[in-house]
Amino acid sequence: GESVGLHLPTLSVQEGDNSIINCAYSNSASDYFIWYKQESGKGPQFIIDIRSNMDKRQGQRVTVLLNKTVKHLSLQIAATQPGDSAVYFCAENMAGGGADGLTFGKGTHLIIQP
Amino acid sequence: NAGVTQTPKFRILKIGQSMTLQCTQDMNHNYMYWYRQDPGMGLKLIYYSVGAGITDKGEVPNGYNVSRSTTEDFPLRLELAAPSQTSVYFCASSSLQQVVGQPQHFGDGTRLSIL
Repeated sequence: GESVGLHLPTLSVQEGDNSIINCAYSNSASDYFIWYKQESGKGPQFIIDIRSNMDKRQGQRVTVLLNKTVKHLSLQIAATQPGDSAVYFCAENMAGGGADGLTFGKGTHLIIQP
Repeated sequence: NAGVTQTPKFRILKIGQSMTLQCTQDMNHNYMYWYRQDPGMGLKLIYYSVGAGITDKGEVPNGYNVSRSTTEDFPLRLELAAPSQTSVYFCASSSLQQVVGQPQHFGDGTRLSIL
């Protein structure tokens, strides 16, 4: 089965609220994690990434949290805007930083209510 | 910079036909990847390359072939198209190996239907 998954297929939030998208992974050897945003008809767009020696990393309006104890990854989006509507994927690298690609979860569709 | 460019954007093939999906990047990235995305699913790795002349299989390589004669180009070949290969294909590239701040950059995909 999938080694990287998401708890909710769809998440609906009010514009201006904060969004939290969750992801669970099963391989404790994974050491690199990344979040992508995918809009309809487009390729995945990089949001933020983190390595296993970090607990938290912040970008512009986004924060990624990594809890290695429970193998949980989350993406927090502050002050959600209509342009944040998209499908969000978490992905991991299972080879300890190797070049053999990413393993993706199924995605969460973030819907912004006006 | 154009980033990662994929052609064509759409294609319909008949069963048994062959075609090449083109991918080129202008970022001088060593690492390139091909993924497929089925409806409602995440991406699955088909093949990848760590540099010109070097390619390796990913999770779902059957029915596909790749080559990497230059740093810029990484074409994906379907020799005998099958309905199971109906999917959206994404090419990606990165400069380094999964280093924070050096992520894989994706093209906008090729939507392929096999009828």
